[in-house]
Amino acid sequence: ETGVTQTPRHLVMGMTNKKSLKCEQHLGHNAMYWYKQSAKKPLELMFVYSLEERVENNSVPSRFSPECPNSSHLFLHLHTLQPEDSALYLCASSQSIAGGPDEQYFGPGTRLTVT
Amino acid sequence: GQNIDQPTEMTATEGAIVQINCTYQTSGFNGLFWYQQHAGEAPTFLSYNVLDGLEEKGRFSSFLSRSKGYSYLLLKELQMKDSASYLCAVTDSNYQLIWGAGTKLIIKP
Repeated sequence: ETGVTQTPRHLVMGMTNKKSLKCEQHLGHNAMYWYKQSAKKPLELMFVYSLEERVENNSVPSRFSPECPNSSHLFLHLHTLQPEDSALYLCASSQSIAGGPDEQYFGPGTRLTVT
Repeated sequence: GQNIDQPTEMTATEGAIVQINCTYQTSGFNGLFWYQQHAGEAPTFLSYNVLDGLEEKGRFSSFLSRSKGYSYLLLKELQMKDSASYLCAVTDSNYQLIWGAGTKLIIKP
């Protein structure tokens, strides 16, 4: 158990659907992240939140909408996705975003398939 | 641009030693991480290097040369459970983590 949970673990959705991914961290961390992981590609950082404020948005299409209501919870709202958005979506947390040896703790991911 | 290079796949034998290399070109450097990711699971932290040299942690060691933009992860006394992907990541001058695509390590009996 890494202390970071994600639901659902698997999601199949059509291109016109709206769904949300949920992440919860039980580690008392101040920073949370959304990543996209596609086969044989580097992890793509999507969003970073520090103390519930978004500090990074790496040119992510508007069909992905993050929400961080408090330092323990992070959501990723999905709408009108494309088949190329099919991937593993990983949530992570760390003590801070200030660098140093603060490793990131990852959740198990949501395997998303867009049909 | 920023880039992390690692071999796509490596094969090794149980009980042997394997070295997984990582080279990087980034805007500044504030540390290098190695993570392990078993298939279908979350990445988990293995090691962190910020100064040149070797960091040893049990069967795993990680080496860094900042002047060469180079690191390696050394795994000794390989076990079947070490079959996984190994991800190299560098923190750049903006404290953003830049990730490599990972090296899939296959252990054979």
